[in-house]
Amino acid sequence: EVQLVESGGGLVQPGGTLRLSCAASGFTFNTLGMNWVRQAPGKGLEWVSYVSRSSSPIYYADSVKGRFTISRDNAKNSLYLQMNSLRVEDTAVYYCARDFGGEYYGSGSLDYWGQGTLVTVSS
Amino acid sequence: QSALTQPASVSGSPGQSITISCTGTSSDVGGHNYVSWYQQHPGKAPKVVIYEVSHRPSGVSDRFSGSKSGNTASLTISGLQAEDEADYYCSSYASSTTRVFGGGTKLTVL
Repeated sequence: EVQLVESGGGLVQPGGTLRLSCAASGFTFNTLGMNWVRQAPGKGLEWVSYVSRSSSPIYYADSVKGRFTISRDNAKNSLYLQMNSLRVEDTAVYYCARDFGGEYYGSGSLDYWGQGTLVTVSS
Repeated sequence: QSALTQPASVSGSPGQSITISCTGTSSDVGGHNYVSWYQQHPGKAPKVVIYEVSHRPSGVSDRFSGSKSGNTASLTISGLQAEDEADYYCSSYASSTTRVFGGGTKLTVL
């Protein structure tokens, strides 16, 4: 059974840092790209970042470029999101999602999602 | 990175059919066949119901179907059931930005 379990969320002040983790199981992690998608309270889904199976290429949404860093450790079946210079508008539930299929990097469907971890940026 | 355009809400009675539209540009919806649709119930993670415009994942009811014409993709749910009440999001591959979501549509089953 495919499982994605996020952790690392919490309350942080504006300008602070946080590192999210996503533990994957039930599939061969190093064969698929992975994504982070977020959802602000009461709002819609926003794609944040993508990392290919080999860690290159990597893509970011303009809203987080230069502040967030996605990475993965295939030996540990884990995905990460390092979030620096956090802003109030980064407050959201952050989901990791598997990228399945697709001819181009990041073009697959998000066929499995974690349960999400809440990040709250507030003073 | 502009979001795809979806209606904020749609509604229908049990047994009826509804269609949700998703409008983008030639750089995303119109330029690729990598449009997917996600269903999200309150407090839950999204679930893919359609991928690559019109393909249904294993386990998804055949009441769900997808199509695309030009820069607009559509999700149709036939034989509406109470359990279909949820938020629905479209997503498209976008060559310049990788992925873009629609703003979401709240489906109410009357």
